[in-house]
Amino acid sequence: QVQLVESGGGVVQPGRSLRLSCAASGFTFSSYAMHWVRQAPGKGLEWVAVISSDGSYKYYADSVKGRLTISRDNSRNTLYLQMNSLRAEDTAVYYCAKDGGTVARGAFDYWGQGTLVTVSS
Amino acid sequence: DIVMTQTPLSSPVTLGQPASISCRSSQSLLHSDGNTYLSWLQQRPGQPPRLLIYKISNRFSGVPDRFSGSGAGTDFTLRISRVEAEDVGVYYCMQATQFPHTFGQGTKLEIK
Repeated sequence: QVQLVESGGGVVQPGRSLRLSCAASGFTFSSYAMHWVRQAPGKGLEWVAVISSDGSYKYYADSVKGRLTISRDNSRNTLYLQMNSLRAEDTAVYYCAKDGGTVARGAFDYWGQGTLVTVSS
Repeated sequence: DIVMTQTPLSSPVTLGQPASISCRSSQSLLHSDGNTYLSWLQQRPGQPPRLLIYKISNRFSGVPDRFSGSGAGTDFTLRISRVEAEDVGVYYCMQATQFPHTFGQGTKLEIK
């Protein structure tokens, strides 16, 4: 079965960096685009970034452009989110989500449990 | 950016009764490839979101048939034919026609 397991969250001071990982299993990771979505405490969902199946294209939300970088290692079935210059407003649960591919394109058909990032001094 | 507006934001429903959530986009979600990339997700308390419906009206694997989606262009609806206790949570619409992908604010479904 499809599994997505995020890790790397924690408490970090403003201006510092953090790298999140998402370990994927149960599907052919290299065949699907992958997304990061975040949810601030008590708030709604915010799409953060997407990376294509081969890593050749990436798109970002304006709120994170230039500070957060999505990447993947298809040999390790792992998705990453490098977070630099962190701000208090980046505090959220970060979910990785699998793109639905050709059948459910544009939908996020599987989600991880999320990892909490808290930016605070 | 495409703005997604859901109504209502809160919906108290009696068990066994129907429920309906509306989602309106600030511009048409019809993609140049002919598809409309509007999906619905459910988030139960303390859980990650779960895909219910994709491309307006297609139920995802394992989703009960009491959930249905409809609409076109800028107006979309999620319907639950008979609400069950396990349906409590927050429902989001999401568009993936254009970057950045955007979500509605969420509609909280609760039992009366």
